[in-house]
Amino acid sequence: DQQVKQNSPSLSVQEGRISILNCDYTNSMFDYFLWYKKYPAEGPTFLISISSIKDKNEDGRFTVFLNKSAKHLSLHIVPSQPGDSAVYFCAAADSGGGADGLTFGKGTHLIIQP
Amino acid sequence: NAGVTQTPKFQVLKTGQSMTLQCAQDMNHNSMYWYRQDPGMGLRLIYYSASEGTTDKGEVPNGYNVSRLNKREFSLRLESAAPSQTSVYFCASRGGWTANTGELFFGEGSRLTVL
Repeated sequence: DQQVKQNSPSLSVQEGRISILNCDYTNSMFDYFLWYKKYPAEGPTFLISISSIKDKNEDGRFTVFLNKSAKHLSLHIVPSQPGDSAVYFCAAADSGGGADGLTFGKGTHLIIQP
Repeated sequence: NAGVTQTPKFQVLKTGQSMTLQCAQDMNHNSMYWYRQDPGMGLRLIYYSASEGTTDKGEVPNGYNVSRLNKREFSLRLESAAPSQTSVYFCASRGGWTANTGELFFGEGSRLTVL
């Protein structure tokens, strides 16, 4: 039973355009959401997060939107750059769950076309 | 800043052999984690340790054991490796939950192949 779903295995976007990566979750206890970026042969690196008390969080070119009623979040990258080509993982957690790890989606491979 | 360090980075085993993956963090974090990443499967939690002296099973613990040696170090052991354990293993740590934080910090990964 997959609690965090990224339904697009890959996404191709032209350089300079907006990239939108989507994520859905099923566990109502999740109240903290994160996006990680991963390059080949490297560990995942934290990108941006959002608490369930907010519906938007912005950091430079990256914005995460949270729709709690739809159990849906999205990551917007604008403008997209060649260095953004990577696999992006959506992750979720129940902050009241103590030290429980994050639950990850399967990832979306973003390809930025020149 | 070293962050989270994993060794070895690459390992090839034969079925039935044993090995230990080592992980150390220098961020004074309480919690440490072992994940595995397989193609099309994302990152799945194997075991975690909330604090020194405690360990708990994650989503896919079968075939693995862990040891939280001290606050810095958390090792993952395969007692009798199987081809299904061919994967990339990531160690991670977290300091704890504070306002708007809770992210895990990951090591670079250990690629294990079991023949």
